[in-house]
Amino acid sequence: EDKVVQSPLSLVVHEGDTVTLNCSYEVTNFRSLLWYKQEKKAPTFLFMLTSSGIEKKSGRLSSILDKKELSSILNITATQTGDSAIYLCAVCNNAGNMLTFGGGTRLMVKP
Amino acid sequence: DGGITQSPKYLFRKEGQNVTLSCEQNLNHDAMYWYRQDPGQGLRLIYYSQIVNDFQKGDIAEGYSVSREKKESFPLTVTSAQKNPTAFYLCASRTRFGGTGELFFGEGSRLTVL
Repeated sequence: EDKVVQSPLSLVVHEGDTVTLNCSYEVTNFRSLLWYKQEKKAPTFLFMLTSSGIEKKSGRLSSILDKKELSSILNITATQTGDSAIYLCAVCNNAGNMLTFGGGTRLMVKP
Repeated sequence: DGGITQSPKYLFRKEGQNVTLSCEQNLNHDAMYWYRQDPGQGLRLIYYSQIVNDFQKGDIAEGYSVSREKKESFPLTVTSAQKNPTAFYLCASRTRFGGTGELFFGEGSRLTVL
């Protein structure tokens, strides 16, 4: 059974701090890893990673995949209150038909 | 606008009743999914469908049923056999071939059993 584990479960920081969220996985026939941000209802897509060592970046957010360690990190620099959300990591198998989600990391950014 | 529409957004049910959650997409996606989310937790897969008239169980299918008679529609029925149905339900879709492979989500349906 595919498994995705995220850490920490929750995190409280102050504006301006930098945070690193972790995602590790055990997946048969790995295809890709995806990060989502969920503020209130529908998760919104952040990144998809397929190759090890190549950083994806969007503004203050960046992510990288390590296939050797079966893990990924999501970095957020200069955090803002608007970054407060649940961050979800998901892994897609090689058949491309199933995404397995981790339990999420709840981030709270205080002013 | 292209997207996924879930209804109702909020639903209350008495114990012993079946309820059906609607999910419609106009993105021309082949694959559709239902996930369940409990408070403060991640998403767990209930059912998914890769093509019309075909669907597979996910990790927590017991007590749920689905149908896929049309490409655009993938309704989920929460039956009375589901022991703890109070949760947030998310429908999603994606293209099977090409694209980024990302899932597109609806706004969710929150079911509360009284």
